[in-house]
Amino acid sequence: QVQLVQSGAEVKTPGASVKVSCKASGFTFTAYFMHWVRQAPGQGLEWMGIINPSGDSTSYAQKFQGRVTMTRDTSTSTVYMELSSLRSEDTAIYYCARDNSDSDITGWWFDPWGQGTLVTVSS
Amino acid sequence: SSELTQDPAVSVALGQTVRITCRGDSLRTYYASWYQQKPGQAPVLVIYGKNNRPSGIPDRFSGSSSGNTASLTITGAQAEDEADYYCNCRDSSAYHWLFGGGTKLTVL
Repeated sequence: QVQLVQSGAEVKTPGASVKVSCKASGFTFTAYFMHWVRQAPGQGLEWMGIINPSGDSTSYAQKFQGRVTMTRDTSTSTVYMELSSLRSEDTAIYYCARDNSDSDITGWWFDPWGQGTLVTVSS
Repeated sequence: SSELTQDPAVSVALGQTVRITCRGDSLRTYYASWYQQKPGQAPVLVIYGKNNRPSGIPDRFSGSSSGNTASLTITGAQAEDEADYYCNCRDSSAYHWLFGGGTKLTVL
C-alpha cells in the first residue's frame, strides 16, 4: 500500500540541527513531488517546503529560508528535511506528505502523510 | 494577501448539517483541499479538487467553492466527525502552499 514512514522522535539542544527522514513505498517515488509540513504543540499546520521528483529543485516557505534543506535519495525512496539553528519555537511534529495534482493543474492535495516525527528543542 | 482564513470553532448537533468555510484570494485561482485531524493523529485528506473524496471517506463529506471562499460540508454529522479541519491551497502569487488556521468541529 502507499505509505510514508518517518524516522523517530528527536531531542535537540538550541543551535543544533536535526535531519528527519521519510521513506516512501507502494508508489513510483521518482514521479512525485514531496512536501514537508510542521505542527507546533496545540497549533495549526504550517507548510515548510516542497522538493521536486529528481531532487534538484526546492521551494521553501520564506519563514524557513536559510535554515531548511530538503533532499531526496531515489535509491532508497527517501526524502529528508534538515532544519538548522534550532530554537525552542521549532519544537513541533514534522510531517512529510506526497504531492498530488489534477490534470488541469487547478488543484493540489497532500496524500498520504507520514506518521509525523516529534522534534523537541530544549536545553 | 497570501493567507487562508477559517473560523476557529464550529459546533453541530448530531445528525445535522454543518459547513466549514475557508477564505482567501488564492481560492479564486486554485481549488482547496481539506484535511481532518484527530488528536494524536496525522492529518487525513477528506476532499480535494472540485469536489472529490478519497476512497474510504464517507459521502456525507462534500466540498464547494465560490469566489474567494471554499466550503466543506458534512451532511448528517456523526460523533466520529469531531476533529480539527484544515483547508489548504496553492498560493496564487508564489510557488508556495497555504494552510488555514484550522476549525475545531464539536458534535453535540
